[in-house]
Amino acid sequence: QKEVEQNSGPLSVPEGAIASLNCTYSDRGSQSFFWYRQYSGKSPELIMSIYSNGDKEDGRFTAQLNKASQYVSLLIRDSQPSDSATYLCAVNHLYNFNKFYFGSGTKLNVKP
Amino acid sequence: GAVVSQHPSRVICKSGTSVKIECRSLDFQATTMFWYRQFPKQSLMLMATSNEGSKATYEQGVEKDKFLINHASLTLSTLTVTSAHPEDSSFYICSARDSGTGEGYGYTFGSGTRLTVV
Repeated sequence: QKEVEQNSGPLSVPEGAIASLNCTYSDRGSQSFFWYRQYSGKSPELIMSIYSNGDKEDGRFTAQLNKASQYVSLLIRDSQPSDSATYLCAVNHLYNFNKFYFGSGTKLNVKP
Repeated sequence: GAVVSQHPSRVICKSGTSVKIECRSLDFQATTMFWYRQFPKQSLMLMATSNEGSKATYEQGVEKDKFLINHASLTLSTLTVTSAHPEDSSFYICSARDSGTGEGYGYTFGSGTRLTVV
């Protein structure tokens, strides 16, 4: 079983819609969760981090964490074509908080 | 925010030669840096953890004699791919975190190095 699982997609949404990206993880003791965006041929850039159960909002982005279900999601409101990228979920290692596991990423296509 | 500089961005080398990739933290000190490899349409795979002043910690299946890591200062880590082969062609990315921030804070990635071995 992979430590972090994501649907590879592609997820296609029309411009202006809400895009919902999901991620599950296996280590119940993981404490920190991150969403990265990666454009083709580029390195990942951090979008959001979340550490507590519930929602965390930052502009058009909302991260949701449910530790009981071992589930973290990212909502993108008012999706724009520039949001088209691969979104990587990252979870810190159970025994080494400095070490991350990455999901395989979900490719998002926002159609104009 | 924290900036991580990685060079070169692209390199083409002949099979059997060695290539060095540099990763620098520009405005912060990083006691730990991580090296990842990403094959096309796949996720990032952690290769090794680079520790300042000590030996790197390699992930299972990564040959430490082939991928030499040196972290001689708090702002510089290098990855040397020795005796490169075409199957080593990949996107190599380093990441680092400002040691002054709390545990669990997100890491910043370098811009990556596209290695092509011909």
